Amino acid sequence: DTGVSQNPRHKITKRGQNVTFRCDPISEHNRLYWYRQTLGQGPEFLTYFQNEAQLEKSRLLSDRFSAERPKGSFSTLEIQRTEQGDSAMYLCASSLALTSGETQYFGPGTRLLVL
Amino acid sequence: AQSVTQLGSHVSVSEGALVLLRCNYSSSVPPYLFWYVQYPNQGLQLLLKYTSAATLVKGINGFEAEFKKSETSFHLTKPSAHMSDAAEYFCAVSPLSGSARQLTFGSGTQLTVLP
Repeated sequence: DTGVSQNPRHKITKRGQNVTFRCDPISEHNRLYWYRQTLGQGPEFLTYFQNEAQLEKSRLLSDRFSAERPKGSFSTLEIQRTEQGDSAMYLCASSLALTSGETQYFGPGTRLLVL
Repeated sequence: AQSVTQLGSHVSVSEGALVLLRCNYSSSVPPYLFWYVQYPNQGLQLLLKYTSAATLVKGINGFEAEFKKSETSFHLTKPSAHMSDAAEYFCAVSPLSGSARQLTFGSGTQLTVLP
C-alpha cells in the first residue's frame, strides 16, 4: 500500500535561502492539494492541481511561493527567499475526483524551520 | 465563505470515559464534513466523513459523529476512550460544488486520555 509520500521530512534553512519540497501522490489520484500548518492551528489551503493544471491558489500563496505538477504526477512546492514566518509544516494531500465527498489522503508533511 | 469552530482546544478524559469533541460549521448550505486525527509529527488520517447520506456516521477506531443541520454541528464521539486515542483532532468542511474541494479546518482539539 503506497500512500502519499513527502520529501524531505524535515528542512532547516537560513533566512533568504530557497527551498523545494516534493510530494508523490497516490498513483491513480488526479487531484493534489498543498496545505500549510503552523503550530497549534489547523492546516490552511495553499493551492490545488487537477492533473497538471494548477486551478486554484490561496491568497496565502505569496509570489515567493510556486508549485508545479509536471505530467500530473508528483508535485513540487518551492519557496524563494525564505522568511522566518514561513516556518511551518507543509502538507500534501491527494484525492480522486468524485461527484460527492471525495476523501483527501495526507502525506506525513515536511517540517520547515527558517533560522 | 465556510468556517469551522471547534469548541475546546484541549479536552481531557479518563480511560474508559466518553469522548465528545465539538464541531460547528458555518456555511450557507450544508457542506461535506470530515473528522481527521493527527498524531505527533505525522500527517492527518481520516476518521469519518459526512456526505449527505446517513446523519449518523461511523468511522474507524470506534468513533462516530452525528450531523445536525438545525444546530450546524458535527460532534465526534466515542463511548470509551483508550490511551491510544490521545492525539489532535480536526474537524473540516469542503464545498458541495465547484471543481476544487479544498478543506477548511478548525483549529483542532488536543485530546488527552488519563490513566
